[in-house]
Amino acid sequence: NAGVTQTPKFRILKIGQSMTLQCTQDMNHNYMYWYRQDPGMGLKLIYYSVGAGITDKGEVPNGYNVSRSTTEDFPLRLELAAPSQTSVYFCASSETSGTGGYRYGYTFGSGTRLTVV
Amino acid sequence: AQSVTQLDSHVSVSEGTPVLLRCNYSSSYSPSLFWYVQHPNKGLQLLLKYTSAATLVKGINGFEAEFKKSETSFHLTKPSAHMSDAAEYFCVVSADPRDGLTFGKGTHLIIQP
Repeated sequence: NAGVTQTPKFRILKIGQSMTLQCTQDMNHNYMYWYRQDPGMGLKLIYYSVGAGITDKGEVPNGYNVSRSTTEDFPLRLELAAPSQTSVYFCASSETSGTGGYRYGYTFGSGTRLTVV
Repeated sequence: AQSVTQLDSHVSVSEGTPVLLRCNYSSSYSPSLFWYVQHPNKGLQLLLKYTSAATLVKGINGFEAEFKKSETSFHLTKPSAHMSDAAEYFCVVSADPRDGLTFGKGTHLIIQP
């Protein structure tokens, strides 16, 4: 059981380049999330998905796009990389109780460290 | 809406002494609350979680936290600090899965020998 797998672990991009951060989970979780962590800060939500074909913006979505074609995969796309996107990116997935109470856990990937120069 | 405030950006204790990391939260619904730990250049590890069962929650590595609704607090404690506890600790709230997790800004725990 691999949990949440993120690739790559490290990447250096030049300004204006594009790339896709990959995220895969094998726990059959419906909810998936992308967060970014800037130095000395907590995580901020970029995008999330409540199931295949359904995505929505989080707190800091500008400059990013996502898609969710399958339950397992939730890639994050950077179209025109900017220095402000230098950060560590975490993907996470979540289960829900399905009973109306929010008794759920989150599993995080190990992160992708992105530098834009 | 949900938010979380970690009251101390840095906490320094001596090895073998108690640890207290303070967290207050705000939520429109009954929240789930979590403490995560992050060691340097590492991912996030779940220490413990509160999901409306027992108010005193025991986690890994001897940590525990108490949910106090009247005080809207979820402070993290450990009776005796170890050098390996030095890390960044995040208090996290979630009341609605559609909002994801809301993180505090973190508390940097320093362990003095």
